[in-house]
Amino acid sequence: QVTLRESGPALVKPTQTLTLTCTFSGFSLTTSGMCVSWIRQPPGKALEWLALIDWGDDKYYNTSLKTRLTISKDTSKKQVVLTMTNVDPVDTATYYCARTQHYNWGFDYWGQGTLVTVSS
Amino acid sequence: SYVVTQPPSVSVAPGKTARFTCGGNNIESKSVHWYQQKPGQAPVPVIYFDTDRPSGIPERFSASNSGNTATLTISRVEAGDEADYYCQVWDTNSDQWVFGGGTKLTVL
Repeated sequence: QVTLRESGPALVKPTQTLTLTCTFSGFSLTTSGMCVSWIRQPPGKALEWLALIDWGDDKYYNTSLKTRLTISKDTSKKQVVLTMTNVDPVDTATYYCARTQHYNWGFDYWGQGTLVTVSS
Repeated sequence: SYVVTQPPSVSVAPGKTARFTCGGNNIESKSVHWYQQKPGQAPVPVIYFDTDRPSGIPERFSASNSGNTATLTISRVEAGDEADYYCQVWDTNSDQWVFGGGTKLTVL
């Protein structure tokens, strides 16, 4: 059974660094083709893809946010971590992680999401 | 980077057919995935690779992709289909995923 679960702070202050963790089970991120992405959704707005890491540790980022994002994985802990620097209130959103079994395959499993509010 | 465009809303009476468009330059050359998102829930895939329904998705959900427009169709719409629907493509030029802005389905 594949599951993903996001965790992280519910509230961060502007200019701080946000660190989110996706803990998954039911699959291995060492399996050829496997990828985990982070996606966010501001309240009442659309989905926005943020970053992807693949089984070979290649990383891809949303070009408009690339300078602020870092994605990494710990395969032994079955975790994918996203850090976002210099957060702003516009980064307030529900953050999801999701799995794909290859780059251009759809996201077949999603976490339930975690709401992060950026406010002083 | 690649842009996909969705109309903000679609309204349809129960039992009728709802169509959602996803526009993009030569989108037929890309694989389009579709997601359903109900309030307070994570998105759920309803179509993979232009036309493939994941297991558990009713046959009422179908899709196509031609030219500059991909289309998701829901036949015999039910009240439970009320949700936001998003299309998604992988942009090979910039190596990133792109989501459309989503279309809200209202069942009248």
